[in-house]
Amino acid sequence: AQSVTQLGSHVSVSEGALVLLRCNYSSSVPPYLFWYVQYPNQGLQLLLKYTSAATLVKGINGFEAEFKKSETSFHLTKPSAHMSDAAEYFCAVRDTGRRALTFGSGTRLQVQP
Amino acid sequence: EAQVTQNPRYLITVTGKKLTVTCSQNMNHEYMSWYRQDPGLGLRQIYYSMNVEVTDKGDVPEGYKVSRKEKRNFPLILESPSPNQTSLYFCASSLAGGGGRETQYFGPGTRLLVL
Repeated sequence: AQSVTQLGSHVSVSEGALVLLRCNYSSSVPPYLFWYVQYPNQGLQLLLKYTSAATLVKGINGFEAEFKKSETSFHLTKPSAHMSDAAEYFCAVRDTGRRALTFGSGTRLQVQP
Repeated sequence: EAQVTQNPRYLITVTGKKLTVTCSQNMNHEYMSWYRQDPGLGLRQIYYSMNVEVTDKGDVPEGYKVSRKEKRNFPLILESPSPNQTSLYFCASSLAGGGGRETQYFGPGTRLLVL
């Protein structure tokens, strides 16, 4: 069965610092990978997705993620954190041919002034 | 505006009292799904539907029912709610023809408390 591991349930950075949120997946074949963001009291919004084209994927709000097959990772980064980035971030994976997304447990990002 | 809507947004009920959470999308999506979100567990799929009259179980279907009589609507039914169904529920929808690479669009969530 698919699984997604997000290392660190809480990450705190200073405004302007690098954001790195980690995601590792288990899959026997390269899957489709997604990062979603959830702001307080809101639904999930897609940040970016990997669908077997370029391994470096750029998303909204300055975020990007790199698919590394050898490490089974899809870490999310942003060069400079902004206060508005404070939210919960979910990594999700979907095997080709399946519809259900398998989500990680989420990482809450806190941005300190 | 393209969106997924859910009603109600907040609901407090008592054990055993049947309830329905509605979900509607205006994007003509074939695929619709229900998830529940619990702290430390992320989102887990309850049921999904590939099209009208086609539904199937997800990872945590016990205690839930769904129906898909119209393409735009996908209600979640709790026939006899129990306290362990206290959770945050999300409906999602997407196109179905992309082999899995389609983006799922999520509703705003329904927070349910079962006493």
